[in-house]
Amino acid sequence: AQTVTQSQPEMSVQEAETVTLSCTYDTSENNYYLFWYKQPPSRQMILVIRQEAYKQQNATENRFSVNFQKAAKSFSLKISDSQLGDTAMYFCAFMNTEQGAQKLVFGQGTRLTINP
Amino acid sequence: NAGVTQTPKFQVLKTGQSMTLQCAQDMNHEYMSWYRQDPGMGLRLIHYSVGAGITDQGEVPNGYNVSRSTTEDFPLRLLSAAPSQTSVYFCASRFAASIGFYEQYFGPGTRLTVT
Repeated sequence: AQTVTQSQPEMSVQEAETVTLSCTYDTSENNYYLFWYKQPPSRQMILVIRQEAYKQQNATENRFSVNFQKAAKSFSLKISDSQLGDTAMYFCAFMNTEQGAQKLVFGQGTRLTINP
Repeated sequence: NAGVTQTPKFQVLKTGQSMTLQCAQDMNHEYMSWYRQDPGMGLRLIHYSVGAGITDQGEVPNGYNVSRSTTEDFPLRLLSAAPSQTSVYFCASRFAASIGFYEQYFGPGTRLTVT
């Protein structure tokens, strides 16, 4: 079974700083997707960024980028020029796309606080 | 489009009571799923469905039932509520294949407390 581990339960940085959230996963599959979801205090789950495992190029969405290391099974999220609105829980998630029901497996989450 | 809707937003039950959490989507998604979110444990899959008439168990299915009679609706039933089912419940949906790059859309959640 696939597992996703986020080793940082909480992080805190000053506004405008850059912050990196860590995520590792365990799988024997070769084709999969990885995601970062943001959950602000409103509780709504918001997709931040996704990465296809077959793509070597790291995904980027504005201030958000990932460092995908397939051999190391690592998928970290970098937030540049952090803003107060980035304060939220962040969840890393894995989806096997090779076979079966392609279920989404989540990590435990990292609570990120951006301080003014 | 309303996206994924869930009702109710909040619910308090007594131990042993039963209830149904409603979930609906208007995006014609084949795949729907239910998760529960507990502190420090992320989201865990309860049940999922890959289409009308087809359901299967996820990671934590005990104490819950589901059915999928239409593409749009995927209700979650608590048969006999227990305090261990106190949690926040999320419904989600997406296209079954790689259309949409497997992006999952989440409802706003239901906070359930069982006393």
